[in-house]
Amino acid sequence: GNSVTQMEGPVTLSEEAFLTINCTYTATGYPSLFWYVQYPGEGLQLLLKATKADDKGSNKGFEATYRKETTSFHLEKGSVQVSDSAVYFCALNNNNDMRFGAGTRLTVKP
Amino acid sequence: EAEVAQSPRYKITEKSQAVAFWCDPISGHATLYWYRQILGQGPELLVQFQDESVVDDSQLPKDRFSAERLKGVDSTLKIQPAELGDSAMYLCASSFAGGGYNEQFFGPGTRLTVL
Repeated sequence: GNSVTQMEGPVTLSEEAFLTINCTYTATGYPSLFWYVQYPGEGLQLLLKATKADDKGSNKGFEATYRKETTSFHLEKGSVQVSDSAVYFCALNNNNDMRFGAGTRLTVKP
Repeated sequence: EAEVAQSPRYKITEKSQAVAFWCDPISGHATLYWYRQILGQGPELLVQFQDESVVDDSQLPKDRFSAERLKGVDSTLKIQPAELGDSAMYLCASSFAGGGYNEQFFGPGTRLTVL
C-alpha cells in the first residue's frame, strides 16, 4: 500500500543553520509528493510539491526533489529562521489516496 | 484570499454526548475531505466527498461517525456518542477536483477534547 516515513523529531537548530528533514515513501505507480507545514493552532499549509520524478519543488527557500530511484523527497533549507519553527509533514497522493507522514517538529533558536 | 472555514475551533464535551463540526470549503471546490489528526501524528482521512456524494468513507467509524454534504457545498461531521479516544484535531480540506495533482487546502481545524 501507500505510506510515508519521515524523520523523527524533534529537530532543534540555531538560526541560519542548514535544515534537512528526510522523507521516504512506498507507493505503486507515480504518486505526487508534498510537504505541508503546520504552525501552532493552525491547519496545514502546502509548502511545496512535485508531481513527477526529478521535479524539484521550492518555496520560501525550502526545496525538495522527487527521487524515484531512492523513493525519497527530502526537505532542505540553506538557512533557517526562527519563523520556520513549525511541524512539517511529508505526504503523497497516489490515485486520490492521500497519506501523511507523522510529522517532524522543528524548533529554530535565535 | 479564499480559505476553508471551520467551526467551532475548539470543542470540549463529555463522553457519550453528541458533537458536530462544520466546514465551508473554498467556493468552487468540488472535493471535500475530513481528516482526523491525533496529537503527534499526521492527518488520516475519514471521508471524502465529490460534490454531494461520498467517494471514500472506508476509515470512518460508521457506528458513531456520520458526515453529510447535502447541497454539495458545506459539510457537517457528527460524532454520537463521543468517546475518550475521539479527542483529536478534526481537519477539513477542499480541492478543485479529486486526483493526485490537485492541491488540498486545509482549514484551521476543530480541536475536540472528550472528558
